[in-house]
Amino acid sequence: GNSVTQMEGPVTLSEEAFLTINCTYTATGYPSLFWYVQYPGEGLQLLLKATKADDKGSNKGFEATYRKETTSFHLEKGSVQVSDSAVYFCALSDHRDDKIIFGKGTRLHILP
Amino acid sequence: SQTIHQWPATLVQPVGSPLSLECTVEGTSNPNLYWYRQAAGRGLQLLFYSVGIGQISSEVPQNLSASRPQDRQFILSSKKLLLSDSGFYLCAWSVASGRFLKNNEQFFGPGTRLTVL
Repeated sequence: GNSVTQMEGPVTLSEEAFLTINCTYTATGYPSLFWYVQYPGEGLQLLLKATKADDKGSNKGFEATYRKETTSFHLEKGSVQVSDSAVYFCALSDHRDDKIIFGKGTRLHILP
Repeated sequence: SQTIHQWPATLVQPVGSPLSLECTVEGTSNPNLYWYRQAAGRGLQLLFYSVGIGQISSEVPQNLSASRPQDRQFILSSKKLLLSDSGFYLCAWSVASGRFLKNNEQFFGPGTRLTVL
């Protein structure tokens, strides 16, 4: 079945450091891929998405590229801020039903 | 634009008491609707989803139930709460699947924090 695997957290970085959160997936066909962010005490917000191979999603300085050859969708940011502290979820939809498969989430702490 | 509301925002209930959480969506029609639970320090667990009025799919057997009495209203209920029902409950919606739909991104509400004592 479909699944999403993302790196275990928490991840702790200093402000202005480079961020990578790894995400790999297993799916049939050509799924759409998403990164969601959850700030403390809030619901999830869509951060970025990619719908086909080699697409790059980007938003708020974050980027992720849909790599079909490695079945990956790693999240990157060149210089993180304290305000980026949150839980990040990688997710996929294979379009066969109306559900999204979420990874377990990675908690990110940014130190000033 | 579309908005999604959940209430209450927080709730503290004794074990064995009933539960009713409400979710409503504005600005769209015939949405797919979802209930998730997020236990402390854990990921998202899909509880129920609905593709139309009166159509409910249950993902996990438990003492919770869901109903969709109106197109844009989704209710999560329990007759008797358990300690293990504590968590953060999230409602979400997505555009109904169609012939030309290419992605199923979901849009989340602000959540309800439930504590069962």
